[in-house]
Amino acid sequence: EAAVTQSPRSKVAVTGGKVTLSCHQTNNHDYMYWYRQDTGHGLRLIHYSYVADSTEKGDIPDGYKASRPSQENFSLILELASLSQTAVYFCASSDWGQDTQYFGPGTRLLVL
Amino acid sequence: GQQVQQSPASLVLQEGENAELQCNFSSTATQLQWFYQSPGGSLVSLLSNPSGTKHTGRLTSTTVTKERRSSLHISSSQTTDSGTYLCAMGYKLTFGTGTSLLVDP
Repeated sequence: EAAVTQSPRSKVAVTGGKVTLSCHQTNNHDYMYWYRQDTGHGLRLIHYSYVADSTEKGDIPDGYKASRPSQENFSLILELASLSQTAVYFCASSDWGQDTQYFGPGTRLLVL
Repeated sequence: GQQVQQSPASLVLQEGENAELQCNFSSTATQLQWFYQSPGGSLVSLLSNPSGTKHTGRLTSTTVTKERRSSLHISSSQTTDSGTYLCAMGYKLTFGTGTSLLVDP
């Protein structure tokens, strides 16, 4: 089974600060994704990538940047964190676009 | 954009009862996954079923693509089945808001 890890598992950030969330997968998957989940809502796609050094915008990319320096690593960057970005962030990976996605444990981000 | 509707929003069962969860989506699904989210928040893929019927353990998913609907049947529910069940469609996964299941002993 795919192994996807995320760091940190939780973080408190200040408004206007920079936040970097990291994701690492060990199963040689090409596709990686970042989602956010807000209380009472389903997950929404922020950014995704299907190859190293390239990222694509998802459904809600505003306020977020992504970086895929290698096949195994995918980061989500909040350059200027805002209160509205308080959420749980999930990273996922899949072997190819139509395949089953495997999720990391999530990162709880609180922006004060 | 794509939309996914799940019903019921919540469900309470006695242990041993069966559950039927529904998922309706706005466009033809080339990918359809059911996930379980534990009370602690972790997400686990249960089934990938873009069409037809699939079984795994006590779970059966039936997806009728042309009618844009999928169901998840849980047989002989257990207290450990409590949590939220999410349906998601498309290769970039558009999620529904889930069905919260509580199984009482």
